[in-house]
Formats: sequence, structure tokens, C-alpha cells
Amino acid sequence: DQQVKQNSPSLSVQEGRISILNCDYTNSMFDYFLWYKKYPAEGPTFLISISSIKDKNEDGRFTVFLNKSAKHLSLHIVPSQPGDSAVYFCAASGFIIQGAQKLVFGQGTRLTINP
Amino acid sequence: EADIYQTPRYLVIGTGKKITLECSQTMGHDKMYWYQQDPGMELHLIHYSYGVNSTEKGDLSSESTVSRIRTEHFPLTLESARPSHTSQYLCASRRNTEAFFGQGTRLTVV
Repeated sequence: DQQVKQNSPSLSVQEGRISILNCDYTNSMFDYFLWYKKYPAEGPTFLISISSIKDKNEDGRFTVFLNKSAKHLSLHIVPSQPGDSAVYFCAASGFIIQGAQKLVFGQGTRLTINP
Repeated sequence: EADIYQTPRYLVIGTGKKITLECSQTMGHDKMYWYQQDPGMELHLIHYSYGVNSTEKGDLSSESTVSRIRTEHFPLTLESARPSHTSQYLCASRRNTEAFFGQGTRLTVV
């Protein structure tokens, strides 16, 4: 049962434009959401997070939006740069899910920024 | 800057060998995790720990075992490596919010 889903395996965006990565979740008990960036053969790097009490969090070129009613979050990158090309993972956490503080990850979206 | 380290970065080993993947963090985090990732796939949680002497199995069944004798150290052991264990293994630690990952260990069993 996939609790966190990233339905787009890949996304290609022109340099300078906006990149929008999407993530859906099924468990309404999740209360904290994170985005990670990953290069091959390296560990994921934390990008930005959002608590369920907010609907938006911004950090430089990165903004995360949360729509709790739709169980949907998105990551906006603007303007997109070639160095943003990587795999992006959405993750969710809930303190009372199975008594754990586990992070559940989506399948990832490979973002390619074209010059 | 996250202070979590995994060794080795790359390991090629023969079938049947015992291996231990090391993971250490200097942030004093109670919660530590091991994830397994195959290329192009999601991260699967295989083990986690809430603190010293606490270890739990994750969502993905794994033949590996872990121990947490010290807060900063969370090694993963495979008693008898098999080609099906070939994967990338990622260690993470967390206090309350974001988790920080090590560089990962790319394991190849031949």
C-alpha cells in the first residue's frame, strides 16, 4: 500500500522556468512533509519541509504548498537552474502512525533542467 | 551541515561473506534509520531505532540485522551476503523534524 505517491517519474523543464513537482498521500495522520533532492550514488539532501498547520513554506527559490483536504503537496522551484537536475523525493511523517516517527517516501521524480 | 557518516561508500564482496555497514552521527539524534534503494525506485525503510537498545524492523523485510549500543552508532550487518542484497543502503538520523542522510553505501554482491 503506497502511502506517499509521486505519479510523475520524470519531468523536463526549460532553464529559468518554473518546475512543479507533485506528491499525494493517503494517510490523513501524516502531519509533517519534507522534500529531498538526490543525486546518483549519494544520500538524499534535505530541501524544505512543511507542517500540517501551514499551507505554504518558502525558502529562496523553493516553495512547498500543502493542500490537506486534497492530501496533496507540491514543490515549486523558480527559476529552475541546471544544477537542480536530480531526483526529488517527497516524504511524510506522523508521530502516531504505528507508534512510530518513520519517514515514508514516495517513488521520486527525476527532474531535468534543459539549457 | 549534517554530520552523519557511512562507510564504506562502495563495497564489492563475494557471496556468503559477512559484512557490516557502518553509520555514525555526531548530532546526538535519538532516532536513526536504514533505508534500501534500488536504482529508480523509492526508499524502503528496513530498520529503525528510537534510541540506545531499541531497534525495530521496517516496512521492507530484510535479512540484515542492526544494533544500537551507542547513540551515535547504528551499524547494519549481513551474516551471509547474496546477489539479491545488491543495492544502495542509506542511513539517516533525526531529532524531531527533518532527517539527515549519510552518503550511502553502494553494495554489490558477486
